[in-house]
Amino acid sequence: NAGVMQNPRHLVRRRGQEARLRCSPMKGHSHVYWYRQLPEEGLKFMVYLQKENIIDESGMPKERFSAEFPKEGPSILRIQQVVRGDSAAYFCASSRGTGNTIYFGEGSWLTVV
Amino acid sequence: GQQLNQSPQSMFIQEGEDVSMNCTSSSIFNTWLWYKQDPGEGPVLLIALYKAGELTSNGRLTAQFGITRKDSFLNISASIPSDVGIYFCAGMNSGGSNYKLTFGKGTLLTVNP
Repeated sequence: NAGVMQNPRHLVRRRGQEARLRCSPMKGHSHVYWYRQLPEEGLKFMVYLQKENIIDESGMPKERFSAEFPKEGPSILRIQQVVRGDSAAYFCASSRGTGNTIYFGEGSWLTVV
Repeated sequence: GQQLNQSPQSMFIQEGEDVSMNCTSSSIFNTWLWYKQDPGEGPVLLIALYKAGELTSNGRLTAQFGITRKDSFLNISASIPSDVGIYFCAGMNSGGSNYKLTFGKGTLLTVNP
């Protein structure tokens, strides 16, 4: 998973605040994915993005969650008005293209208090 | 949606023992992947399997893609303390969704020195 950079690694937010998680894909990768891992669970797909495009957001909660991957800069997963149930590890992954090997970052751990 | 059943949930073994874990699915996958996750880290790809019946090794690890395409197993031989961690299987389909990984809930491996 070397090369996919996520920050912050740990984030604490009070209920109602906003959380912004950033992801820089591996060099040469233009496909970015976000997954969420609840305690003692496997990772669950949230969203798949290419530069300036959301390709598949079928795993995103309908409200409060959004993701972008701008032409310049990292991909951002944004959670508005966080609730306790949003506490989880959020993993970004990247690949060179669809069907290519997917590499994960080290994750961002969100705690909502 | 598709679900993966991974077993066992946890294993406690002595150093030097062999380990086997498996994943079964209610539907077919065209790619099976095995990841290891250390505490506070992201999943690291161990083995990728692309063909039904395929048997692939990576050092002391061996994984097989089941003939029915609905299951896979991972074996670890001569376990060592650094094998401790959570092992996840993941499946991927081909075609229009050949980017979305479906994960099992993981097998927690503890190795007693």
